[in-house]
Amino acid sequence: DTAVSQTPKYLVTQMGNDKSIKCEQNLGHDTMYWYKQDSKKFLKIMFSYNNKELIINETVPNRFSPKSPDKAHLNLHINSLELGDSAVYFCASSQAPMPKLFFGSGTQLSVL
Amino acid sequence: QQQVKQSPQSLIVQKGGISIINCAYENTAFDYFPWYQQFPGKGPALLIAIRPDVSEKKEGRFTISFNKSAKQFSLHIMDSQPGDSATYFCAASKTPNTGNQFYFGTGTSLTVIP
Repeated sequence: DTAVSQTPKYLVTQMGNDKSIKCEQNLGHDTMYWYKQDSKKFLKIMFSYNNKELIINETVPNRFSPKSPDKAHLNLHINSLELGDSAVYFCASSQAPMPKLFFGSGTQLSVL
Repeated sequence: QQQVKQSPQSLIVQKGGISIINCAYENTAFDYFPWYQQFPGKGPALLIAIRPDVSEKKEGRFTISFNKSAKQFSLHIMDSQPGDSATYFCAASKTPNTGNQFYFGTGTSLTVIP
């Protein structure tokens, strides 16, 4: 009964490819996020969706496109992958007004 | 601009010792200050949190000390255990939170030596 689940756990791909990461939460939360964690462990927010509407879109290349088909799902599609995209990507959710984040276990993306 | 500054970057403590991690923030509108714990291969998980109306919060061996005037807060881990070895992140946000920004510190890698 994983609260926030994301797939795949590991993703190894070549430069230039397009890939997607899926996220689902079964907590009934109305807000979902994508975070990027680099090799120095720094957590950087990429996107935030509240009830399927984009709330935060930080300075991310437009090769990254989030899609929220419903409030329980937030997928991340990445076009034309670059070496610098290699990182761990975390999905998270929260329920207003409580500012408590629930994270998935991460997707380790390696671009070769 | 880093909204929340965290130190040290890494920390090595003997078993049974006290681990102390410090954070500082600038935005006085922040009213919620959590600490997250992350084990290798896992996502961060909420450990303990505090609001600025109290100066200290304790949960088991974990204590947050909060200094509103200095805009600083710290995590103290008493009787540190090898199982506490993880990366710790402080954070700050405003409530109510409807998908707004959570500002994370840069993380502290804690190693507790048996």
